[in-house]
Amino acid sequence: KQEVTQIPAALSVPEGENLVLNCSFTDSAIYNLQWFRQDPGKGLTSLLLIQSSQREQTSGRLNASLDKSSGRSTLYIAASQPGDSATYLCAVQFHTGRRALTFGSGTRLQVQP
Amino acid sequence: NAGVTQTPKFQVLKTGQSMTLQCAQDMNHEYMSWYRQDPGMGLRLIHYSVGAGITDQGEVPNGYNVSRSTTEDFPLRLLSAAPSQTSVYFCASSYSEAAGVNTEAFFGQGTRLTVV
Repeated sequence: KQEVTQIPAALSVPEGENLVLNCSFTDSAIYNLQWFRQDPGKGLTSLLLIQSSQREQTSGRLNASLDKSSGRSTLYIAASQPGDSATYLCAVQFHTGRRALTFGSGTRLQVQP
Repeated sequence: NAGVTQTPKFQVLKTGQSMTLQCAQDMNHEYMSWYRQDPGMGLRLIHYSVGAGITDQGEVPNGYNVSRSTTEDFPLRLLSAAPSQTSVYFCASSYSEAAGVNTEAFFGQGTRLTVV
């Protein structure tokens, strides 16, 4: 079964710290991987999309890497701020006919001022 | 640019009632899908559509129907609501490239449904 796992489930850091969120997936046959942010009671906001042929993508203080062979992706957040507090979700499009995203359960991040 | 719009935002139903959750996108995306989000279970695919007139089942389709008469709209129908359908429902859309690959997915703000 194709699965996506995110560790840790929750993380609390002081403001200004650099941090890494982890995502692993069980099948290296993927089209792409996408990181989302979800604020409490809100929808999902796309942060970064990495195609299977790419190794990383960057947007502002965010950097996402992809290692297909080991089934891993990381989301690096530099100089964290209280406004970064949210749940971060990793989702993978595997090589299946449904073309849907398979989601991890998320990492709930709290950045303390 | 509105993106993906879901209505209503909140709904309370009695067991056995039916209703339709609306989803509309204005990005001319071919691919649309419905997910439900439950605590401890993440987001799970209910139904999806690769274009107007084409729909198919996802991971948890029982109790739900969909149709896709236009590119823009993808409504989700609950036939006879049950307490197990209490959840947050998200609609998503994305552009389809060749060979079955989707690009960046955009999500609506969700519909929080309670069935009593």
